[in-house]
Amino acid sequence: AIQLTQSPSSLSASVGDRVTITCRASQGISSALAWYQQKPGEAPKSLIYDASTLESGVPSRFSGSGSGTDFTLTISSLQPEDFATYYCQQFNSYPLTFGGGTKVEIK
Amino acid sequence: EVLLVESGGGLVKPGGSLRLSCAASGFTFSNAWMSWVRQAPGKGLEWVGRIKSKNDGGTTDHAAPVRGRFTISRDDSKNTLYLQMNSLKTEDTAVYYCTTGSSAFVYWGQGTRVTVSS
Repeated sequence: AIQLTQSPSSLSASVGDRVTITCRASQGISSALAWYQQKPGEAPKSLIYDASTLESGVPSRFSGSGSGTDFTLTISSLQPEDFATYYCQQFNSYPLTFGGGTKVEIK
Repeated sequence: EVLLVESGGGLVKPGGSLRLSCAASGFTFSNAWMSWVRQAPGKGLEWVGRIKSKNDGGTTDHAAPVRGRFTISRDDSKNTLYLQMNSLKTEDTAVYYCTTGSSAFVYWGQGTRVTVSS
């Protein structure tokens, strides 16, 4: 199974900060990567698919990049509603796998 | 509007069984590949398994930790997805979500909680 390693596992940031989360795959997955946001008690919400395509309705401050084994989720200017846990997921091959998550907390 | 509504969760003893259901509406369920994803308390997301549409063969894939114990099925006439869980273990305690999407899981249910405890 393809392993996805996210870093950091948690971070503290302030409103307005630029935040970068990385996701590294144990083998190449082309661009078959999605990013999700999850808030406590809620189902995950899809933000980005195919590594860099923004889902409809997702604010443009979110962006994704990368291909192969190294991927990045960037929030250009952190907003209060962005404090949440973020997960990457690969769709390249079964079993589908998720990264361990990155919790973004208020500094 | 796409809606996925899970049901069937609850408290069960180790070794017991439970069947979860996911009622779908707002899209052509019979064409959709459906998955189950779970989340143990305080932990991350874990893909449980997937069933293809019948047009694409209707086959299933299950994650290693549940293979041989869990079975995903579907009833397209009822727009319903199922997860039959047998030989439950304490480590199966989680919120179980049904979800669908092609390049990402765009649609999610609200989840149903399964607790395996004696």
